[in-house]
Amino acid sequence: KNEVEQSPQNLTAQEGEFITINCSYSVGISALHWLQQHPGGGIVSLFMLSSGKKKHGRLIATINIQEKHSSLHITASHPRDSAVYICAVLNTGNQFYFGTGTSLTVIP
Amino acid sequence: EPEVTQTPSHQVTQMGQEVILRCVPISNHLYFYWYRQILGQKVEFLVSFYNNEISEKSEIFDDQFSVERPDGSNFTLKIRSTKLEDSAMYFCASSENSGLVDTQYFGPGTRLTVL
Repeated sequence: KNEVEQSPQNLTAQEGEFITINCSYSVGISALHWLQQHPGGGIVSLFMLSSGKKKHGRLIATINIQEKHSSLHITASHPRDSAVYICAVLNTGNQFYFGTGTSLTVIP
Repeated sequence: EPEVTQTPSHQVTQMGQEVILRCVPISNHLYFYWYRQILGQKVEFLVSFYNNEISEKSEIFDDQFSVERPDGSNFTLKIRSTKLEDSAMYFCASSENSGLVDTQYFGPGTRLTVL
């Protein structure tokens, strides 16, 4: 059973498009993290949120605790945004659960 | 900008051998984590460590695994008797505060290959 589900699994977009990646989870959480994994394997933390919305540059992350859902938005997408985006949750028992990731390809 | 470092970048070992994966977290961070990612699969949490003891561990983190902060800068993951299924990328991460309130900084990973 997957505690964290992401959609879509794969996404191809044209440069400049607005992108949304979704994450749904089934456990009670204390926090939700959005991570970016580069083609070489390195992982970068993008956001940590427990409520509301956060923005960093062209990235926006939102979370709806009642609906157990979070979204990651990328505005004005660029080929350098191509990566795997991973949603991870910290449940109330302090265990981390990871989604399988969304593979994003942005075409020039 | 400070970063988490990991050594070696790639470790090849024979089944049954002990391996130690090393991590140097960011210097003022207090919380440390190990994760693994089997090729083609999702990242999995192994263990979190704070104040010189394990805070949380997953079902994966059985008696074959141990962690240590031997000298105040390094954070190590030891696998006592490696199995083929331990082949994976192992990521270390650190954060200033707990994962409840703070982002984590990840190292570049160590690719472990068990033959």
